[in-house]
Amino acid sequence: DAGVTQSPTHLIKTRGQHVTLRCSPISGHKSVSWYQQVLGQGPQFIFQYYEKEERGRGNFPDRFSARQFPNYSSELNVNALLLGDSALYLCASSYGTRGQRNSPLHFGNGTRLTVT
Amino acid sequence: DQQVKQNSPSLSVQEGRISILNCDYTNSMFDYFLWYKKYPAEGPTFLISISSIKDKNEDGRFTVFLNKSAKHLSLHIVPSQPGDSAVYFCAASGTNFGNEKLTFGTGTRLTIIP
Repeated sequence: DAGVTQSPTHLIKTRGQHVTLRCSPISGHKSVSWYQQVLGQGPQFIFQYYEKEERGRGNFPDRFSARQFPNYSSELNVNALLLGDSALYLCASSYGTRGQRNSPLHFGNGTRLTVT
Repeated sequence: DQQVKQNSPSLSVQEGRISILNCDYTNSMFDYFLWYKKYPAEGPTFLISISSIKDKNEDGRFTVFLNKSAKHLSLHIVPSQPGDSAVYFCAASGTNFGNEKLTFGTGTRLTIIP
């Protein structure tokens, strides 16, 4: 079975540009979450989407936005990139209705974004 | 404000011995705790979890202990194997949060010495 897939794997952008990251969840999973992992830190929650609706938002500026499509895939958009946005962006999927007890998050391998 | 803390950035253990990784939390609304393992260039992989109604959960070589009064949990790996060398993240969630948000610690790099 295919796991969570993310594209691209690496990306280099310049300050002020925007970026779109993509994620395909595990088949049957309806919930997608996005996390940012800065070097030396643990992953930080950005968004959760379930059935195309936003279920949760972390403490990130409005430059960060996301959406989920009818096939449950998702995009994370970041506008007006700053040097501090350089990080590993992780996508995770789950069934979304069973809670963490029965459906832990499954993570993709991430997109490494470098902002210069 | 770091709500989940892993105070040991690294740990080295001899192969065959017990590895003990520790985690502390501050938010009393957390009621479910998970451990994830991460290899370089891969995403975190779920390892084991525990609900706040329990104080121990075991799965093969991995056991997680929860001390609610101390807001402390630990992961025991016994016996430790070279393939266990990875970064281990403690994470917490709360059913009252209304979503699946996980709050992660900063991780502990475990190195198993052959």
